[in-house]
Amino acid sequence: DQQVKQNSPSLSVQEGRISILNCDYTNSMFDYFLWYKKYPAEGPTFLISISSIKDKNEDGRFTVFLNKSAKHLSLHIVPSQPGDSAVYFCAARGTSGYALNFGKGTSLLVTP
Amino acid sequence: NAGVTQTPKFRVLKTGQSMTLLCAQDMNHEYMYWYRQDPGMGLRLIHYSVGEGTTAKGEVPDGYNVSRLKKQNFLLGLESAAPSQTSVYFCASSYSSTAEAFFGQGTRLTVV
Repeated sequence: DQQVKQNSPSLSVQEGRISILNCDYTNSMFDYFLWYKKYPAEGPTFLISISSIKDKNEDGRFTVFLNKSAKHLSLHIVPSQPGDSAVYFCAARGTSGYALNFGKGTSLLVTP
Repeated sequence: NAGVTQTPKFRVLKTGQSMTLLCAQDMNHEYMYWYRQDPGMGLRLIHYSVGEGTTAKGEVPDGYNVSRLKKQNFLLGLESAAPSQTSVYFCASSYSSTAEAFFGQGTRLTVV
């Protein structure tokens, strides 16, 4: 059963606007969450992470929000740029886990 | 700075053939992972290793074997390839279980 869920397979946003990518998880033992970005024919690259002791982490145009009670996190990209067009994966790790559990990904298209 | 390097990048196998995928990292990471990515399925963990000489099963280990004889290398073997193993395979490594993982560029394997 999928423990990390990204329910939107795709998202289209205009350049300059905000992109919001959502992720839900079911395992309450997850305590570390990451977002990865993937371009075609390349491996995923790390974007931003957040520990369960925080509810927000910011890095430039990228901000991740964590709502533990709702088991929900989101990635905000402001402002969105055409180069942000990629597949974004949400991932989570538990306190006793060694590997990441990934969602199915959301394909973001930023149009000029 | 090479990071994580996967060999080969592409391969076509006939059903029943065997092959080994090589992953090499130059970051002195303890943890290494093999994932597979299938359309609509996200990344699923096949096997992982928490140090030289150790391996463990992930979510989808059947049909695969792994070895970690040297800290920098993690090999994924297919003893008797099946069409269901057609996929893109990603190797990753991380410094610790709480650090982000770095991915290779992927190996696209087709089994006919």
